[in-house]
Amino acid sequence: TQLLEQSPQFLSIQEGENLTVYCNSSSVFSSLQWYRQEPGEGPVLLVTVVTGGEVKKLKRLTFQFGDARKDSSLHITAAQPGDTGLYLCAGAPITGNQFYFGTGTSLTVIP
Amino acid sequence: EPEVTQTPSHQVTQMGQEVILRCVPISNHLYFYWYRQILGQKVEFLVSFYNNEISEKSEIFDDQFSVERPDGSNFTLKIRSTKLEDSAMYFCASRGTVNTGELFFGEGSRLTVL
Repeated sequence: TQLLEQSPQFLSIQEGENLTVYCNSSSVFSSLQWYRQEPGEGPVLLVTVVTGGEVKKLKRLTFQFGDARKDSSLHITAAQPGDTGLYLCAGAPITGNQFYFGTGTSLTVIP
Repeated sequence: EPEVTQTPSHQVTQMGQEVILRCVPISNHLYFYWYRQILGQKVEFLVSFYNNEISEKSEIFDDQFSVERPDGSNFTLKIRSTKLEDSAMYFCASRGTVNTGELFFGEGSRLTVL
C-alpha cells in the first residue's frame, strides 16, 4: 500500500482567508488527482496533474505537483462557504492501475 | 455529461445476508473499481477490474467479496455473507485509460448491516 498523507486533517477558517492543503508520499506517482467530497456523496474530480512541477488553476484553486511527483498541494484563495467539504488527493502509481487515496482534509469555511 | 450510476443508493440488510451492489460505468471506459468508505474514514481501495477479470485487489477484498460484469454494461459487487463491519459507503468508479486516465466516481451505495 502506498501511503498518501494529507495535512492538515481538519481546517476551519473564516470566509475570505487563504489556505493550503498538502498531500505527501514517499512514493512516485504517474499522476495525482484532487477530489472534493460532500457528505453522503461520491468524490468529485477537481483536477489531474501529471508532470513534475505542474501547476493548474481552477478559479480560486491552485494545484501543484511536486518536482519529484511524490507530493502535491492545493491552495485556495479567498475561501468561500461553498468550498466546505472533504478534499482528497489520490495518486496513480507508476505500475498497476489502481489509485491510492490520501487521508483527507476536512475544510469548513465559516461565513 | 456521462456519469457513473450506482444502485441502490441505500440498502439495509441483516448480518449474514448476501448483498449485490450495482454500477453502470461510463460506457466507453475500460477500467472499473470498487472503493469503500467507512463513516468518517478514508476511501479504501477494494478491487480493480479490466478485460473481464480482476487486475488488483486489496486485503479487504477477501473470499466474501466478488465482482462481475455480467452483460457488458453493469459492474456488480457481491458480498456473500455480510458482517457488521461491512457497513460503509461503497463507491464504484471507472476510467478510460490507465496512464493519467481520470477516475470518475458514482454517488455511492450506503450499506447498513444490522
